[in-house]
Amino acid sequence: GAGVSQSPRYKVAKRGQDVALRCDPISGHVSLFWYQQALGQGPEFLTYFQNEAQLDKSGLPSDRFFAERPEGSVSTLKIQRTQQEDSAVYLCASTLRETDDGYTFGSGTRLTVV
Amino acid sequence: AQSVAQPEDQVNVAEGNPLTVKCTYSVSGNPYLFWYVQYPNRGLQFLLKYITGDNLVKGSYGFEAEFNKSQTSFHLKKPSALVSDSALYFCAVRDTGFQKLVFGTGTRLLVSP
Repeated sequence: GAGVSQSPRYKVAKRGQDVALRCDPISGHVSLFWYQQALGQGPEFLTYFQNEAQLDKSGLPSDRFFAERPEGSVSTLKIQRTQQEDSAVYLCASTLRETDDGYTFGSGTRLTVV
Repeated sequence: AQSVAQPEDQVNVAEGNPLTVKCTYSVSGNPYLFWYVQYPNRGLQFLLKYITGDNLVKGSYGFEAEFNKSQTSFHLKKPSALVSDSALYFCAVRDTGFQKLVFGTGTRLLVSP
């Protein structure tokens, strides 16, 4: 597609429920990033993939968060046993190569844990 | 560690007046600097970047930014603001050898008619 596509657009989860958020990057983009944006804050880095390899997961806040990109294209961010503090917008970004390109962001998934 | 500071939560400017949104950064290597804009319920849209070269960078929608190494700043500017420029603006930095962008907390720009 022409841009980075994220689904679902909105997700409401009950506390303790598992959720999976999907990111379709721009075709051919090598690098893929996940960010978490809490209300009124700037995006915070979660994890980074180069093709299928997860090269940096230093931003994942706990072992309840897991991300994968098995074929080097679509990525899924999974959150197990959701907590209220997980409520945020989850942004995905991709870039053609691991250099100085401006990253292209998706519109995000707004997760609300009730 | 790399970091970015946006000292103003909000900037108010009248339409037609020049605008400046401030950003300072801290990196250990050479900085790669970016500005993004976010409209309500939308993702981040790339405005411009500084990698190397001229200190004055021109970007989308008439925006420009000036890289100042001695002051470690990368302020966003526009000569004549439009009401449609009202949005949330984020400065971001990437340090040499790292892939992730580190974002500031954002500055809300409000342009009044």
